[in-house]
Amino acid sequence: QKEVEQNSGPLSVPEGAIASLNCTYSDRVSQSFFWYRQYSGKSPELIMSIYSNGDKEDGRFTAQLNKASQYVSLLIRDSQPSDSATYLCAVNGLRGGGNKLTFGTGTQLKVEL
Amino acid sequence: KAGVTQTPRYLIKTRGQQVTLSCSPISGHRSVSWYQQTPGQGLQFLFEYFSETQRNKGNFPGRFSGRQFSNSRSEMNVSTLELGDSALYLCASSLGRRQFYTEAFFGQGTRLTVV
Repeated sequence: QKEVEQNSGPLSVPEGAIASLNCTYSDRVSQSFFWYRQYSGKSPELIMSIYSNGDKEDGRFTAQLNKASQYVSLLIRDSQPSDSATYLCAVNGLRGGGNKLTFGTGTQLKVEL
Repeated sequence: KAGVTQTPRYLIKTRGQQVTLSCSPISGHRSVSWYQQTPGQGLQFLFEYFSETQRNKGNFPGRFSGRQFSNSRSEMNVSTLELGDSALYLCASSLGRRQFYTEAFFGQGTRLTVV
């Protein structure tokens, strides 16, 4: 079983729609969760972090965390063609501090005109 | 505020050679992590340095090593290069405070090609 799982996509949504990206993780004691956006040929860019159960909103982005279900999601409202990219879910499962991110394989999002 | 800077951006090396990559973190950040990204394996953690000490290590062979200097700049070295080492090597910078899981910001990466 992969430690962090994402649907590879592509996920196609029309411009203006809500894109919903999902991620599950296997290590129940994981404490911090991140979403990165990666454009083709570029490095990952951090767009959201979430540490506690519930929703966290930042502009058009909402991250949702459910630790009981070991599930993280990212909602993108009013999707734009510029949102077309690969979205990487990352989990930091370290208990004693430090940064060791485990990444999913990413979901490719295509926003169509 | 300057971001994470990695040098060089591109490298071509021959099998058996060694290579050193450099990373300058965001000012004030003390943690530097290194990752390898390939189409087949995705993003994989190599190691993390904090206050000049390796704090965490991934599952890579000993040919992969690193170090961190007192100014938090970090270098990664790969010895005896193999074709399979061709990848995008990414450095991530974070505050690295011990008790909190801080956000990590990536540099532009170094694209290594081994021929």
